[in-house]
Amino acid sequence: EDKVVQSPLSLVVHEGDTVTLNCSYEVTNFRSLLWYKQEKKAPTFLFMLTSSGIEKKSGRLSSILDKKELSSILNITATQTGDSAIYLCAVEGGSEKLVFGKGTKLTVNP
Amino acid sequence: EADIYQTPRYLVIGTGKKITLECSQTMGHDKMYWYQQDPGMELHLIHYSYGVNSTEKGDLSSESTVSRIRTEHFPLTLESARPSHTSQYLCASRGLSPYNEQFFGPGTRLTVL
Repeated sequence: EDKVVQSPLSLVVHEGDTVTLNCSYEVTNFRSLLWYKQEKKAPTFLFMLTSSGIEKKSGRLSSILDKKELSSILNITATQTGDSAIYLCAVEGGSEKLVFGKGTKLTVNP
Repeated sequence: EADIYQTPRYLVIGTGKKITLECSQTMGHDKMYWYQQDPGMELHLIHYSYGVNSTEKGDLSSESTVSRIRTEHFPLTLESARPSHTSQYLCASRGLSPYNEQFFGPGTRLTVL
C-alpha cells in the first residue's frame, strides 16, 4: 500500500527563521511528488518533482527530491507570517492517484 | 479563464435531505477527483474519474455517489444526508500526463444538522 509520511506534524517558528519540512514515501512505480500549501481553504500547488526534475525553487521556497532515500524536503527561508499554513506532500505512483500525507502545520509568529 | 468551480461553497441542511455538490472545470482535464477533509485532518479520496462514463470509488468508503456524463462536470450526490457527512468536500482535476499538477476547487463546507 502506498504511503506518505510527513514530519514534523507541527512547527512553530519566528519570522525570519528558516524551516525544513520533510516528506518520505513508499510507492510502487514512482511518478511524481507534489507539494501543496493549504491555508483556510483548498490546497494550492507549490512544486512538482519528478525523476527528471529533482530540484525546484520559487522565491523563498525550494524543494529537493531524493529518489535514493525516497524522500523530499521543502525549505522556506526568511519565513513570514503569511507562510503560516499546512504544507501537504503527495506522491503519485502506478495507481495514478495522489496519496497525501497528513501535512505539516507551520505557524510563523511575528 | 481556466479554472475549477464548486457550488455551493457552504451548505447547511437537515438530516435525510438529498443533496448534490457541483464541480466543474474549464481546463479540459480528463481526471477528476473528490476528497473529503475534516478540519485539521488529512485529505481522503472518496471518488475519482478518468473520463466520461468512468467512475471509481476511492480509498475512503463513502455513502455518496458520483457521475461523469460530461468531461467538465463531476457532481457528487448524497441521497440521504446524515450528521456524519458533515465535512469539507474538495473537488480536483488533472490532465492525463503524469507531469501535470492537480488543481483543487475552493471546496464545499457541508453541515448536516
